[in-house]
Amino acid sequence: GAVVSQHPSWVICKSGTSVKIECRSLDFQATTMFWYRQFPKQSLMLMATSNEGSKATYEQGVEKDKFLINHASLTLSTLTVTSAHPEDSSFYICSANGLAGSSGANVLTFGAGSRLTVL
Amino acid sequence: GDSVTQMEGPVTLSEEAFLTINCTYTATGYPSLFWYVQYPGEGLQLLLKATKADDKGSNKGFEATYRKETTSFHLEKGSVQVSDSAVYFCALHTGGFKTIFGAGTRLFVKA
Repeated sequence: GAVVSQHPSWVICKSGTSVKIECRSLDFQATTMFWYRQFPKQSLMLMATSNEGSKATYEQGVEKDKFLINHASLTLSTLTVTSAHPEDSSFYICSANGLAGSSGANVLTFGAGSRLTVL
Repeated sequence: GDSVTQMEGPVTLSEEAFLTINCTYTATGYPSLFWYVQYPGEGLQLLLKATKADDKGSNKGFEATYRKETTSFHLEKGSVQVSDSAVYFCALHTGGFKTIFGAGTRLFVKA
C-alpha cells in the first residue's frame, strides 16, 4: 500500500516548451504533496509544498511562475516547468503524505522520479 | 534551522566488509529520522526509520539507532554486497512531513 506514481519517468523537450510532470497517490488520499529537485550527484532540494485545493508554498529561491504546481485533487499533483531551458534539466521527485490502509496510518511515500532533459 | 549532516563519499568497500555511514542532525523538537537509498537511475526508497530516541530501525541487514544524546543516526551493515552499491541519504521529518535530506553518500562495493 501507499504507492506513489510519477509520470513521465523520462522526458526530453526543446528549449522554450513547457513540460508537465504528474504525481499520483494510487491507493491513498494525499493531503500534502512535496516536490523536490535533484541535480546530478547532489542531494534533494525541496521546491514546494502543495496542499489539496490551495496554492503551493514555494521554498526561497524557487520561481513560482517557472514551476507551476497544481494539487487539484487528493490523488494528483502536477508540476509544470514553463518555458524550459537547459538549466532546468534535472531529476524531479515528488512525495505524498496522507492516511493509508485500514488503520489509517499516516504515510509519506516518494515517487520514482522524473528525469527532464531540455535540449 | 533543521539540518542533516552525513559523511562525504564516495565510500568504496570490498564485498563482505563492514559499513558505517555517519549521520548527525540538528532539529528543534523530536524529529523522525530516516535512511533512504537511491539506486542508479531510480527514485528514493525508504530503507529504515526510527521515530523516537533509542529506537533502532532495521531492514535488509542495515540498521541505525536514534541517539538523542549525540543527535546521531549512523547507518551500519555487517557485510555489504555488490548490490548495495547506491547513494544513501539520511533525512529527518519536521512537522508536516517536510523532509530535510543530507547531502547523500555514494557507496561502491567491489566484488
